[in-house]
Amino acid sequence: LAKTTQPISMDSYEGQEVNITCSHNNIATNDYITWYQQFPSQGPRFIIQGYKTKVTNEVASLFIPADRKSSTLSLPRVSLSDTAVYYCLVGDASGGSYIPTFGRGTSLIVHP
Amino acid sequence: DSGVTQTPKHLITATGQRVTLRCSPRSGDLSVYWYQQSLDQGLQFLIQYYNGEERAKGNILERFSAQQFPDLHSELNLSSLELGDSALYFCASSIGTSESYEQYFGPGTRLTVT
Repeated sequence: LAKTTQPISMDSYEGQEVNITCSHNNIATNDYITWYQQFPSQGPRFIIQGYKTKVTNEVASLFIPADRKSSTLSLPRVSLSDTAVYYCLVGDASGGSYIPTFGRGTSLIVHP
Repeated sequence: DSGVTQTPKHLITATGQRVTLRCSPRSGDLSVYWYQQSLDQGLQFLIQYYNGEERAKGNILERFSAQQFPDLHSELNLSSLELGDSALYFCASSIGTSESYEQYFGPGTRLTVT
């Protein structure tokens, strides 16, 4: 079963770049790495997804090293509204069907 | 707004009772996922349906069941409720079945069992 490990919490200040790293040592060859953002009492929201190297979209970048055993979500110039829980998701298809396995998430608090 | 709707928003019921949670996926999405989120367990995958058929099963209790109807809406049935079933229940939808497809989550149903 694919498992992920993330820091429980992080603190930052407005305007700073935030990097959240997720470890997934037993990631399978065909697994994607997906990050979601969740605000209190709301459903998670997709941020970014990647398979290898670097992916960038309008809100974040995702860095994946060659061994794919970890990934880093990078949020440029965070604001107060980026305060949320961030989940790293790695699929588990070892049983023949995809089992989405969310980690415990990283609670990011952005301070003024 | 993700385009996924869930009803009811809140549900309060007593132990031993049975409830049904409803989910309507985004237009065009064939997959529906159900998740349970509690403070001590985090976000747990329960079950997935794709175009009416069960596709994947996670940590779903035998007291829980789900189905997806021909119009693609889905229902999660929780029976013989226990205090520990109190949680937020999310439904998500996606176009396909693999992890490469983004999941769109609904606003959730908050279940309180007293």
